[in-house]
Amino acid sequence: GQSLEQPSEVTAVEGAIVQINCTYQTSGFYGLSWYQQHDGGAPTFLSYNALDGLEETGRFSSFLSRSDSYGYLLLQELQMKDSASYFCAVRSWDSNYQLIWGAGTKLIIKP
Amino acid sequence: EAGVAQSPRYKIIEKRQSVAFWCNPISGHATLYWYQQILGQGPKLLIQFQNNGVVDDSQLPKDRFSAERLKGVDSTLKIQPAKLEDSAVYLCASSFPSVPFNEQFFGPGTRLTVL
Repeated sequence: GQSLEQPSEVTAVEGAIVQINCTYQTSGFYGLSWYQQHDGGAPTFLSYNALDGLEETGRFSSFLSRSDSYGYLLLQELQMKDSASYFCAVRSWDSNYQLIWGAGTKLIIKP
Repeated sequence: EAGVAQSPRYKIIEKRQSVAFWCNPISGHATLYWYQQILGQGPKLLIQFQNNGVVDDSQLPKDRFSAERLKGVDSTLKIQPAKLEDSAVYLCASSFPSVPFNEQFFGPGTRLTVL
């Protein structure tokens, strides 16, 4: 079966940098996605990694190491509006290419 | 561009009652998903449609849940009869049908409370 682990909660200060880690176990790995969800809101797509390395999109970056079954989301210049839950989700052949989601990491930003 | 529409936004029912949720995906998106998100957890896929055909319903509790997408556009998800453990947010998402990667666009969800 598949499993994903990410911290349940991370706290950071406004303007700082924070990294949210995700480790996964799956067979036939295809890619790792990250989604953001504000309280009471819908998940919104942030990034996707299929190959090793760093993908940068503005203040957000996502990293993948396929050999370590590990990825992370890096948020820079944190703003209060970044307070949300962040989910990693894996797509693999043994999940019939469906997204399998982690439990989410609640990011708390303090002024 | 209009997003994914869902209704109702909130629903409170008693156990053993039935309930239905509606979703209208983004125009042109052939793939439609229904997810269940229990508080404090990530979304769990219930069913995926490609146009009006079912691609994956392996995690749909078929004894009580049903879904249809008759004309390949909007979709309904029904629960009959509801149980207490069905209390959750039901999210609808849509995407273009590209594998292995397709960004999924989510609606605001329907928050169901079963008493």
